[in-house]
Amino acid sequence: GAGVSQSPSNKVTEKGKDVELRCDPISGHTALYWYRQRLGQGLEFLIYFQGNSAPDKSGLPSDRFSAERTGESVSTLTIQRTQQEDSAVYLCASSLVQGALGNTIYFGEGSWLTVV
Amino acid sequence: QKEVEQNSGPLSVPEGAIASLNCTYSDRGSQSFFWYRQYSGKSPELIMSIYSNGDKEDGRFTAQLNKASQYVSLLIRDSQPSDSATYLCAVGGGSNYKLTFGKGTLLTVNP
Repeated sequence: GAGVSQSPSNKVTEKGKDVELRCDPISGHTALYWYRQRLGQGLEFLIYFQGNSAPDKSGLPSDRFSAERTGESVSTLTIQRTQQEDSAVYLCASSLVQGALGNTIYFGEGSWLTVV
Repeated sequence: QKEVEQNSGPLSVPEGAIASLNCTYSDRGSQSFFWYRQYSGKSPELIMSIYSNGDKEDGRFTAQLNKASQYVSLLIRDSQPSDSATYLCAVGGGSNYKLTFGKGTLLTVNP
């Protein structure tokens, strides 16, 4: 597709349930990011995939959070046993890495998660 | 731990004035620098990128980079109410390609 596609755009779930968020990056982009943004807050880095390298998971807030990516395609972010503090917009972004420069990243519209 | 710091704001300027947004970064090996604009309830959109020391102008926007001081700024000339948004500084390159974002500065342009 022309841009980063995320689904669902909105999700309301009950506390304790698991949720899965999907991201389809721009075709050919080797790098993929997940960020979380709580209401009125800045971007919080969660995880970074770059090609076939081991992902940088340093931003995942707890072991309830996990993410997968198959090759250079779709990624899923899974939150198990959701808590109310997980309510946020989850932003996916991708970039075409060109050496140390040119790694402009493009964001999807986000998945708005509300845990009730 | 790589850090990107922005003036916390909020920043309020009158219409037609120059808005100045500042950002400092901790990783001296950083090589790419970006400014994103985020309207309330929307995802960030890229407005400027800069890689070399000095100024880069694009319309009413000027990005300034000083690698020795580890400082990057964004100037918005002739500010318009439509410029009211949160501006995010992002830094990348160096030892890996991951972008690190600052927490953003909320800009309000008053008519």
